[in-house]
Amino acid sequence: DTGVSQNPRHKITKRGQNVTFRCDPISEHNRLYWYRQTLGQGPEFLTYFQNEAQLEKSRLLSDRFSAERPKGSFSTLEIQRTEQGDSAMYLCASSFDTGELFFGEGSRLTVL
Amino acid sequence: EDQVTQSPEALRLQEGESSSLNCSYTVSGLRGLFWYRQDPGKGPEFLFTLYSAGEEKEKERLKATLTKKESFLHITAPKPEDSATYLCAAPTGNQFYFGTGTSLTVIP
Repeated sequence: DTGVSQNPRHKITKRGQNVTFRCDPISEHNRLYWYRQTLGQGPEFLTYFQNEAQLEKSRLLSDRFSAERPKGSFSTLEIQRTEQGDSAMYLCASSFDTGELFFGEGSRLTVL
Repeated sequence: EDQVTQSPEALRLQEGESSSLNCSYTVSGLRGLFWYRQDPGKGPEFLFTLYSAGEEKEKERLKATLTKKESFLHITAPKPEDSATYLCAAPTGNQFYFGTGTSLTVIP
């Protein structure tokens, strides 16, 4: 399968705990994006990598959020000290240069 | 301010009843207008990219068109399996701005 893969698909955690999501993009894609989506809303941009460099972060992205893409391959998104407002679907997408985004199935986070 | 607005928010159609979804945008330096389909609990699935006014693209019962200020997704003789949320997006800089989507329900 050559699609975008995200793990875990679902995560339930208690407030204050740290969580990490992993994204494996389409192998030939050089760009990787993280988005967040809540019910009834469109995806909201969080951050963007070109190869291993994180080139842009949303101003809405709290310092509790950190993302990495070591060696320009897979990426991780970590949320520290989770809050109930972090409950959402976290979507990863990849693209080749400025082409269309291809999304994974998402990682749904529930913070209790 | 860059913005993408979709209407209606929700649409219920009888099977076979054609209609159109609207996406209006105010994005500087538009580099394409993208349409996606999203099923509940899943990530968006790419449908079309339109790059210039007057351009049209088709896929099965879907046809997307683009003007200088808006795009339409026309659904001809829809079937229940077309039920989904349809999102449009416009890239600006390194981001894609997404609308809030139109939730389409096709009733048998």
